[in-house]
Amino acid sequence: DQQVKQNSPSLSVQEGRISILNCDYTNSMFDYFLWYKKYPAEGPTFLISISSIKDKNEDGRFTVFLNKSAKHLSLHIVPSQPGDSAVYFCAAALYNFNKFYFGSGTKLNVKP
Amino acid sequence: ETGVTQTPRHLVMGMTNKKSLKCEQHLGHNAMYWYKQSAKKPLELMFVYSLEERVENNSVPSRFSPECPNSSHLFLHLHTLQPEDSALYLCASSQGGTGLAATDTQYFGPGTRLTVL
Repeated sequence: DQQVKQNSPSLSVQEGRISILNCDYTNSMFDYFLWYKKYPAEGPTFLISISSIKDKNEDGRFTVFLNKSAKHLSLHIVPSQPGDSAVYFCAAALYNFNKFYFGSGTKLNVKP
Repeated sequence: ETGVTQTPRHLVMGMTNKKSLKCEQHLGHNAMYWYKQSAKKPLELMFVYSLEERVENNSVPSRFSPECPNSSHLFLHLHTLQPEDSALYLCASSQGGTGLAATDTQYFGPGTRLTVL
């Protein structure tokens, strides 16, 4: 059974608006989370991470929010740009071990 | 070359063939990983090597055989595969060392798209 789920396979957003990508996990022991971005014909690239001691981490236009009680994290992109169009994967792990469980990805399309 | 490279980028093979996937990292990392991504499924970790020792074998069938001759190279040897093994195979590396932690960012190659006929 999948331990990390991204229930929206795709999302379409207008340029300049906010993109919100969601991710749910089932294992309450997970204490480290991250987001990867993947362009076609390229490997995933690390975007942003958050540990369970925080509920928010911000890096430029990208902010990740963690709600431990709901076992939910989200990635906010503000403002969205056409170059952000890609597949976004969330992943979760135990902090002391580098074994990640990935979601199946959300394809973001930012329209000009 | 920079980053993590994988060859070939595309591979079509029959069920009786033997082939190998190659991964090379130019980042000076000590840990390397093989992942499988089937259509519409999440990335699944297959193998982890740290300092050329296998530290994780995620219940992968024996028709997949990894090899890590040094910290820069990782191979995945394939034999008698099944059509359901068709997938994108991704290699990654991380700084690694004596221990692996989740904060050890993994850098991915572009993947090999494998089709088994």
